[in-house]
Amino acid sequence: EVVLTQSPGTLSLSPGERATLSCRASQSISSSYLAWYQQKPGQAPSLLIYSASRRADGVSDRFSASGSGTEFTLTISRLEPEDFAVYYCQQYDSYSVTFGGGTKVEIK
Amino acid sequence: QVQLQESGPGLVRPSETLSLTCTVSGGSISNYYWSWFRQPPGQGPEWIGYIHYSGSTNYNPSLKSRVTVSLDTSKNQFSLRLNYVTAADTAVYYCAGDRNSNVWAYYWGQGTLVTVSS
Repeated sequence: EVVLTQSPGTLSLSPGERATLSCRASQSISSSYLAWYQQKPGQAPSLLIYSASRRADGVSDRFSASGSGTEFTLTISRLEPEDFAVYYCQQYDSYSVTFGGGTKVEIK
Repeated sequence: QVQLQESGPGLVRPSETLSLTCTVSGGSISNYYWSWFRQPPGQGPEWIGYIHYSGSTNYNPSLKSRVTVSLDTSKNQFSLRLNYVTAADTAVYYCAGDRNSNVWAYYWGQGTLVTVSS
């Protein structure tokens, strides 16, 4: 099973700052099967990015993502108040779908 | 706009079967991948399994022996059954769907908390 490790666990930033979130896989995965979600308290996860770098419908262009192999990154260019949330990466290999442990982006 | 709504008991006794239904509105259940996820309190999401309109399914290997996902096209619903539950199955359960992928999901229900307790 592929294990996804997200870092940092918590990111304390101010509105307007840039956020860089990391997702590392325990073995190489296909970029086609890497996604990112945002989750706010009491809400379901919301799809941000699929296929490692493609924004889902309606997602702001402040969100961008890249990566391949075992290293993937989600970047939020300028944090807006509504961006403070928990972010999860997700992958699929031939075995299963797994999620990372999440990165909480909190207001500094 | 596709909308999903989970329904089912909020309390299930240990060793019994957890049964949830997801009602799809605003669109047809056809030609989508329909999935179940869960999230224990304070933890990250976990994938349970999916079913495609064609009837193909795939389940999380760690749950495969206890899980069944099924489709009722006449009611625009899909369902989850999880047998022999324990306290470790206590979680918020989400139904979700996507037109193009069995991996990620664009459409999500609001989630329903299921507690396993005697």
